[in-house]
Amino acid sequence: QQQVKQSPQSLIVQKGGISIINCAYENTAFDYFPWYQQFPGKGPALLIAIRPDVSEKKEGRFTISFNKSAKQFSLHIMDSQPGDSATYFCAASIDQGDMRFGAGTRLTVKP
Amino acid sequence: NAGVTQTPKFQVLKTGQSMTLQCAQDMNHEYMSWYRQDPGMGLRLIHYSVGAGITDQGEVPNGYNVSRSTTEDFPLRLLSAAPSQTSVYFCASARDTEAFFGQGTRLTVV
Repeated sequence: QQQVKQSPQSLIVQKGGISIINCAYENTAFDYFPWYQQFPGKGPALLIAIRPDVSEKKEGRFTISFNKSAKQFSLHIMDSQPGDSATYFCAASIDQGDMRFGAGTRLTVKP
Repeated sequence: NAGVTQTPKFQVLKTGQSMTLQCAQDMNHEYMSWYRQDPGMGLRLIHYSVGAGITDQGEVPNGYNVSRSTTEDFPLRLLSAAPSQTSVYFCASARDTEAFFGQGTRLTVV
């Protein structure tokens, strides 16, 4: 069973809109929660990450919201652009080598 | 900067054949991992290593072997390929907690 559950599977947003992707985890030992962005034919690349000692982290148009008690975290993309169209993965890890990923969300931003 | 280099980029194998997927990194990272990516499944951890001489199993290790004789290299071996191993394979190395991924190897087993 997957240790990190991600939704939705796919998402279509209009240009300028807000994209929201959600993830939930079970293992309370996880202490690092990154989001990765993947374009077709490429490997995933780190977008933004958070530790459980903070509830929110913002980098430009990208924000992670973290709810430790609910064991949930989400990615918000403000002012979504067509160039943001990609597959997004949430992940969780305890140590550097053992990272568990969600199933991915394919985001399409329509112009 | 080469980063994480995977070879080959594409490979077709017959059932029962063996092969090694190569992964090399030039960032002096201690941590390296292998993942497979299948539609609707995300990335699943196969094996990982926290340093030269040390390896451990991930979520889906069956059918795969790894070794880590140097910091730079982390090859993945398929001993007897099966159609269920058709997938895209990614190698990653990590500094602190940020993982850097290679471009992937698309493997088809017929």
